[in-house]
Amino acid sequence: DTEVTQTPKHLVMGMTNKKSLKCEQHMGHRAMYWYKQKAKKPPELMFVYSYEKLSINESVPSRFSPECPNSSLLNLHLHALQPEDSALYLCASSRSPDGGIHTFGSGTRLTVV
Amino acid sequence: AQTVTQSQPEMSVQEAETVTLSCTYDTSESDYYLFWYKQPPSRQMILVIRQEAYKQQNATENRFSVNFQKAAKSFSLKISDSQLGDAAMYFCAYRSAMNAGNMLTFGGGTRLMVKP
Repeated sequence: DTEVTQTPKHLVMGMTNKKSLKCEQHMGHRAMYWYKQKAKKPPELMFVYSYEKLSINESVPSRFSPECPNSSLLNLHLHALQPEDSALYLCASSRSPDGGIHTFGSGTRLTVV
Repeated sequence: AQTVTQSQPEMSVQEAETVTLSCTYDTSESDYYLFWYKQPPSRQMILVIRQEAYKQQNATENRFSVNFQKAAKSFSLKISDSQLGDAAMYFCAYRSAMNAGNMLTFGGGTRLMVKP
């Protein structure tokens, strides 16, 4: 298995809703990442998990809450989002925090209404 | 902090012809990696090619090759024999060999259109 799987592919949520994005990989990668990508812009790093521990938080608002329950799974919990949070959320993984190529998922297209 | 610049928002190429996408970067580090990623409408970022800064030889992957000029901090991508499936957003990316976190810094992207 050489894929990063993200679910759901599309999500529409209200500003008072709570939802979660899921990312899964079975390549034995020990680093996992969340990126946010607005339309026609490059991905921007949000969080880095290294050996299931949060190692980097790029000053992301607390309405985004990451979780890494095990080495294969990465979640992003969403609560009280704003319309400007609408974007493509990409998950990626790499062999280790110090090396390896990023493998990306296909992303979740999030719309906040 | 490192920055990556792609000066061509859009490029167009005729099928079967060759096109070159430009990328420049700014860094004070001597050891790093450079990448070209392709993002088709399916949204998945796909690695096209990578280059280690300590290697003088330009990387090549089938129809894709790079021109890596370390002193000039330039990293262009050449696509030969362009195919309709090459149409996508192309992002140049930088990764330090030293920092923890292994994170990528992306350029603004170049949209490549391929004309039949």
